[in-house]
This record gives sequence, structure tokens and C-alpha cells, in this order.
Amino acid sequence: DQQVKQNSPSLSVQEGRISILNCDYTNSMFDYFLWYKKYPAEGPTFLISISSIKDKNEDGRFTVFLNKSAKHLSLHIVPSQPGDSAVYFCAASARSNTGKLIFGQGTTLQVKP
Amino acid sequence: GAVVSQHPSWVICKSGTSVKIECRSLDFQATTMFWYRQFPKQSLMLMATSNEGSKATYEQGVEKDKFLINHASLTLSTLTVTSAHPEDSSFYICSARVGPSYNEQFFGPGTRLTVL
Repeated sequence: DQQVKQNSPSLSVQEGRISILNCDYTNSMFDYFLWYKKYPAEGPTFLISISSIKDKNEDGRFTVFLNKSAKHLSLHIVPSQPGDSAVYFCAASARSNTGKLIFGQGTTLQVKP
Repeated sequence: GAVVSQHPSWVICKSGTSVKIECRSLDFQATTMFWYRQFPKQSLMLMATSNEGSKATYEQGVEKDKFLINHASLTLSTLTVTSAHPEDSSFYICSARVGPSYNEQFFGPGTRLTVL
């Protein structure tokens, strides 16, 4: 049972345009959501997070939006840069579950110069 | 940010042998460490949660006798894959959490295990 889903395995955008990565979840107990960036043969690095009490969090070029009613979150990167090319994972956590992270399958983003 | 290292970065072993993977927090003490496994083009799957000085908590479907976890200090956790088989070939990643905040969880670079 995949509790966190990233239905788009890949995304390609032009440099300077907006990248939108989507993530859906099924467990209503999740109360914290995170996005990680991962390069091949490396561990994930934390990008940005959002608590379920918010619907938006912004950090520089990265903004995460949370729609609790739809159980959907998205990561916006604007403007996209070639260095953003990587695999992006969304993850969810529930305080009631000792805070362990449940990851989506990942979306490979390619930003073309 | 904080640094988490893993050793070895890759290992090839024969079927039936045991392999130990180390996860170290280099510049901080980790109250909790996690072990994940990632198959190609799939998600990171949590295998177990390791707390210093206590037994690891394994996720459903993960054999605790096959994947031995030891968290002997606040900076070191080890995962031993016992009697490895080709289906155990995967990318194993650890993470270390320094406090209760979720973004204070730092990931290691991963270990590629190939069992022949």
C-alpha cells in the first residue's frame, strides 16, 4: 500500500521556467511533509518542508503548497536551473508514528539549458 | 549541515556471506538512526529505526534476524546483512536524526550492495 505517491516519474522543463512536482498521500494522520533532492549514488538532501497547519512555505526559489482536503502537495521551483536536475522525493510523517518518514517513488527532473 | 557517512560505499559479495555497513554521524550525536533500502527506480523504504542503547524497531516484512542492526553509540549504527542472497542486492541508506524536528534528519551517501 503506497501511502505517498508521485505519479509522474519524470519531468522536463526549460531553464528559467517553472518546475512543478506533485505528490499525493492517502494517510490523513500525516502532519508533516518534506521534499528531498537526490543525485545518483548519493543520499537525499533536505530541501523544504511544511507542517499540516500551513498551506504554503517558501524558501528562495522553492515553494511547497499543501492542499489537505485533496491530500496533495506540490513543489514549485522558479526559475528552474540546470543544477536542479535530480530526483525529487516527497516524504510524509506523522507524529503519532514516531515521526518516521514515508517516501514517494520520486520524480526525475531534467532542466534543459 | 551535519554530515553522515557510510562505509563502504559499495560492496560485492558472494551469496551466503554476511556484509556489515556502517553509518556514522561525523559532527553531531544522533539520538535516532534509520535504515532505508532503495531498489532501482523505486522509493526509499524504511527498514528499521535504531535508537542508541536499545533494540531496533523493524518495519513490517523486514526480517530482524537477517538484517541485524546495532546502535552502540550516539555516532555509530551498523547494519549487517546476514547470509546475503542476490535478492538482497540494493542501495542501503542510513539517516541520523539529531532532535525531534523532522528536518534535522541527515542522510548518508548510501551503500550499493551487490550479491553474486
